[in-house]
Amino acid sequence: DAKTTQPNSMESNEEEPVHLPCNHSTISGTDYIHWYRQLPSQGPEYVIHGLTSNVNNRMASLAIAEDRKSSTLILHRATLRDAAVYYCILSRGSQGNLIFGKGTKLSVKP
Amino acid sequence: DTAVSQTPKYLVTQMGNDKSIKCEQNLGHDTMYWYKQDSKKFLKIMFSYNNKELIINETVPNRFSPKSPDKAHLNLHINSLELGDSAVYFCASSSRGLRQETQYFGPGTRLLVL
Repeated sequence: DAKTTQPNSMESNEEEPVHLPCNHSTISGTDYIHWYRQLPSQGPEYVIHGLTSNVNNRMASLAIAEDRKSSTLILHRATLRDAAVYYCILSRGSQGNLIFGKGTKLSVKP
Repeated sequence: DTAVSQTPKYLVTQMGNDKSIKCEQNLGHDTMYWYKQDSKKFLKIMFSYNNKELIINETVPNRFSPKSPDKAHLNLHINSLELGDSAVYFCASSSRGLRQETQYFGPGTRLLVL
């Protein structure tokens, strides 16, 4: 299974940018990098995904290293509602099943 | 409208009982999944169905039997419940089950086996 490494936890102040790192040194050429988050007592929620190029959407930006061995999820202005566990996931194979790691627990301070 | 819904939200039962959890998606997706999140919060895929056919069956005891009556529904039946089955079970769906697609998750069913 494709493995990702993330810090266990991070803290941020409200309205400041947050950079959540992820290492995936064993990534293969066709693996997609997905980010999901899980708010307390809820199901995982899609945040963003990419293959090679950086990606932006209304929730976040995804910066992918040139060698694709790492990526960073960027929340431009953290809010209290962004406090969650953020999972960096590589999806491979034709079935699209997601292999979740431990994720990073993000705390946001007012 | 809820895209992926699960019932029940909470389920408390005794060891040895048989129970079912239902999942429905109204997104018109072809692929549905079951995930288990244990007490340590690890999320692990259990099954994947595409157009009512089983695609993925991870190492799950055969007491767990998924059933897909149509592509909008994927139910999970559990026989002879054990204490270790206590967990949160999430249903999810994606359009065609491809690795670049987004998965949409339900709110979870919290199962407690006493």
